[in-house]
Amino acid sequence: DQQVKQNSPSLSVQEGRISILNCDYTNSMFDYFLWYKKYPAEGPTFLISISSIKDKNEDGRFTVFLNKSAKHLSLHIVPSQPGDSAVYFCAASDGSGGSNYKLTFGKGTLLTVNP
Amino acid sequence: DAGITQSPRHKVTETGTPVTLRCHQTENHRYMYWYRQDPGHGLRLIHYSYGVKDTDKGEVSDGYSVSRSKTEDFLLTLESATSSQTSVYFCAISRDQREQFFGPGTRLTVL
Repeated sequence: DQQVKQNSPSLSVQEGRISILNCDYTNSMFDYFLWYKKYPAEGPTFLISISSIKDKNEDGRFTVFLNKSAKHLSLHIVPSQPGDSAVYFCAASDGSGGSNYKLTFGKGTLLTVNP
Repeated sequence: DAGITQSPRHKVTETGTPVTLRCHQTENHRYMYWYRQDPGHGLRLIHYSYGVKDTDKGEVSDGYSVSRSKTEDFLLTLESATSSQTSVYFCAISRDQREQFFGPGTRLTVL
């Protein structure tokens, strides 16, 4: 059972426009969410995170929005740049157990930003 | 960048042979993780460690074992490699179990 879902395997946008990557989750105990970016032949790079007590977190061109009632989060990249072309993974963790909580990853979305 | 290295970076081996992958960190983080990445599956947790000599299984642990004898090193062992273990393996570290920082990966091919 996939607890973190990225339903769009790929997304293509024009340089300068907004990229919106979506992620849905099913586990209501998830309380922390992260986005990672991955280039080919490299390890994933942490991009931005958000706690469940917030609904928005912004870092430069990257903003993550969390809608807890819909169990949905999104990553907005504005403006998109060709260097943003990569696979983006959504991840979530459940901190309710008190110890040893782990990340659950989605399958990723390949973003292509066209010049 | 977090100080994480993985060795080897590439390995080709034959079915039935033992393989050990090493993850080394210089950040003194308590938590360490091994993942595999396969097409259509994203990143899946194999094993993790929450301290020296303290390890636990992840969602795809069958056929793998780990050891952590000191804070900076986390070893992943395939006792008898199979073709289904051909994958890219990533190590990750974390100070607080929230943000994890990944190494560059090891590409393993089992013939």
